[in-house]
Amino acid sequence: ELKVEQNPLFLSMQEGKNYTIYCNYSTTSDRLYWYRQDPGKSLESLFVLLSNGAVKQEGRLMASLDTKARLSTLHITAAVHDLSATYFCAAQVMDSNYQLIWGAGTKLIIKP
Amino acid sequence: DVKVTQSSRYLVKRTGEKVFLECVQDMDHENMFWYRQDPGLGLRLIYFSYDVKMKEKGDIPEGYSVSREKKERFSLILESASTNQTSMYLCASSYFIAGGLSEQYFGPGTRLTVT
Repeated sequence: ELKVEQNPLFLSMQEGKNYTIYCNYSTTSDRLYWYRQDPGKSLESLFVLLSNGAVKQEGRLMASLDTKARLSTLHITAAVHDLSATYFCAAQVMDSNYQLIWGAGTKLIIKP
Repeated sequence: DVKVTQSSRYLVKRTGEKVFLECVQDMDHENMFWYRQDPGLGLRLIYFSYDVKMKEKGDIPEGYSVSREKKERFSLILESASTNQTSMYLCASSYFIAGGLSEQYFGPGTRLTVT
């Protein structure tokens, strides 16, 4: 069964701390997406990781991809309250019609 | 900026009614998708389309149908709404790039309640 597992599913942290969200996927995939969803809102694309070893950074967020380990990480540096949201990863399935398999999402709460 | 719009933000329908959800994108994207999102279940793909008049079933197509008569518009139809179709419905679009698809651009969502 094709699966994408995120952990943790819920994370409460203090401002100023660092933390990492993990995204493991069970299928062969060469493309990994990260999205952010604010409460009551739709999804917004954060990163598209296209190859093994890819690393992308935007502000306090950094995403990386290890296709051999089938693992992507989203690292938060010196968290601020505005980063509170739910974060989803999704893996593109190879040898298919490019369907995405979605993780369940990580709800991140950052306390002032 | 890519814009994906959905016809309604909130919708309340009665059991057995036929329901139409419309999605329009303005960036000439080839691909369009319909998802439903439920607490604890993440996003589940209902149907997608790679081209006009093309449709492919996703993970949970039962009870739904779709129509894509024009490139910019993708409609989701609930033939006979049931209470278990109460959910948030999200439309998305994307385009082809080398090796697959671009990131998906999502509409604001339609929160459908079936009573």
